[in-house]
Amino acid sequence: EVQLVQSGAEVKKPGESLKISCKGSGYSFTSYWIGWVRQMPGKGLEWMGIIYPGDSDTRYSPSFQGQVTISADKSISTAYLQWSSLKASDTAMYYCVRRSTYSYVVDYWGQGTLVTVSS
Amino acid sequence: EIVMTQSPATLSVSPGERATLSCRASQSVSSNLAWYQQKPGQAPRLLIYGASTRATGIPARFSGSGSGTEFTLTISSLQSEDFAVYYCQQYNNWPPPFGQGTKVEIK
Repeated sequence: EVQLVQSGAEVKKPGESLKISCKGSGYSFTSYWIGWVRQMPGKGLEWMGIIYPGDSDTRYSPSFQGQVTISADKSISTAYLQWSSLKASDTAMYYCVRRSTYSYVVDYWGQGTLVTVSS
Repeated sequence: EIVMTQSPATLSVSPGERATLSCRASQSVSSNLAWYQQKPGQAPRLLIYGASTRATGIPARFSGSGSGTEFTLTISSLQSEDFAVYYCQQYNNWPPPFGQGTKVEIK
């Protein structure tokens, strides 16, 4: 069974750094792209970026380029999303997703990690 | 960057009735269009890809149609578990944006 299990909810202050994780199991982790999707409170879904764990090829949506860093450690089947300096506007639910073999269709979603940034 | 526009924002439907949701792309995406369902407090799930192919385990009451810039998701007879928010997404190129969503609520 394919699973994407994300790290737990975080409460941080503005200016702090953060790295959240997503562990894949039940499939060949290095053979599928893993992406991150943001959902701000009461809002829609936004692609942030995507990484191919096999060779760490990474792409970012223009809105998120330079704002976050996506990485992966294939030895432990885990992808990461990190911020160097959080802002209140980063408060959101973040989903890791698996890109299917059909281009950028998402066939599996993690359970989500809620990040709250507040002073 | 392609922009996806969904309509209406909210659709009020009685159980057992048909629901028709629309999605428009700012430029042609061929048939590279997917639909997702999101229930409150849950992650979205894939319903349709290739504009009209149901994902594994999706009931036949869900159907998709369209190509180019105009797409439709039809739920033939709404069940209680179908009241949710529905998103379309083009995947013709990167980034593959989602529409803003259509909320299907009980009338």
